[in-house]
Amino acid sequence: GESVGLHLPTLSVQEGDNSIINCAYSNSASDYFIWYKQESGKGPQFIIDIRSNMDKRQGQRVTVLLNKTVKHLSLQIAATQPGDSAVYFCAENTGGFKTIFGAGTRLFVKA
Amino acid sequence: DAGVIQSPRHEVTEMGQEVTLRCKPISGHNSLFWYRQTMMRGLELLIYFNNNVPIDDSGMPEDRFSAKMPNASFSTLKIQPSEPRDSAVYFCASSFGQGVTDTQYFGPGTRLTVL
Repeated sequence: GESVGLHLPTLSVQEGDNSIINCAYSNSASDYFIWYKQESGKGPQFIIDIRSNMDKRQGQRVTVLLNKTVKHLSLQIAATQPGDSAVYFCAENTGGFKTIFGAGTRLFVKA
Repeated sequence: DAGVIQSPRHEVTEMGQEVTLRCKPISGHNSLFWYRQTMMRGLELLIYFNNNVPIDDSGMPEDRFSAKMPNASFSTLKIQPSEPRDSAVYFCASSFGQGVTDTQYFGPGTRLTVL
C-alpha cells in the first residue's frame, strides 16, 4: 500500500553538528510534504513544508530537500542543539485534507 | 492564543466503559482533526471536520468510535464500549482553511489506557 517510511529509526548526533533525517515515500502522486517535530509528552509541531514543484526549501536552521526521482525527502538541521532532541515525522499529502505520517525518527543530541 | 486544548490529559478506564475525549480548537480555525497514535501504527487520522461538519470518518476504527462537533469551539471523541486495544494517545488538531497546505496545530494529546 501507499506509505511514508523512514530509513533510520534513531539518530544520535553531537551538539553543534548537522543532522540529516531521511524519509522515503511511495506515492508518486503526493504533491505536498511536511516535517513535524514531536517532543516527549507533546503533540506534533509543524517545522517546514515543501511542495512537489520545489526541490529545496529553507527555514531557520532547517532545510528540506525533495528528490522526486527517487521519492526521497530529507530534513537537515544545522548546528543541532539539545532542544532539537525529539521524534521527527515526515508526512505526505496527495491532495485534500488527508495527511499520511511516517513512522518517525528519534533524534538524540549529545552534549 | 492558548493553542488546541484537550481534556483529560490522561484517562485510565476499564474495558467496557464509555470514554469521552474533548477538544477545543484554536479560535478562528474551521478545520478539526482527530488522530490516534500508537507504537504499532504510528499517527493515524480518525476523522476530519470542516465548519463543524464531518467530512471523512473513514479512519474511525469501528462503530464503537463516534465523534461530534456541535459548534466551532468544541469537539468530542467517544469510545463505547472501550477495549484494551483502544489504548493510545489521541490527538486533536485544528487548522484555518480546508486546503492541503493549511498548517495543522496539534493539542497535547490524551493518553488513554484501557485495562
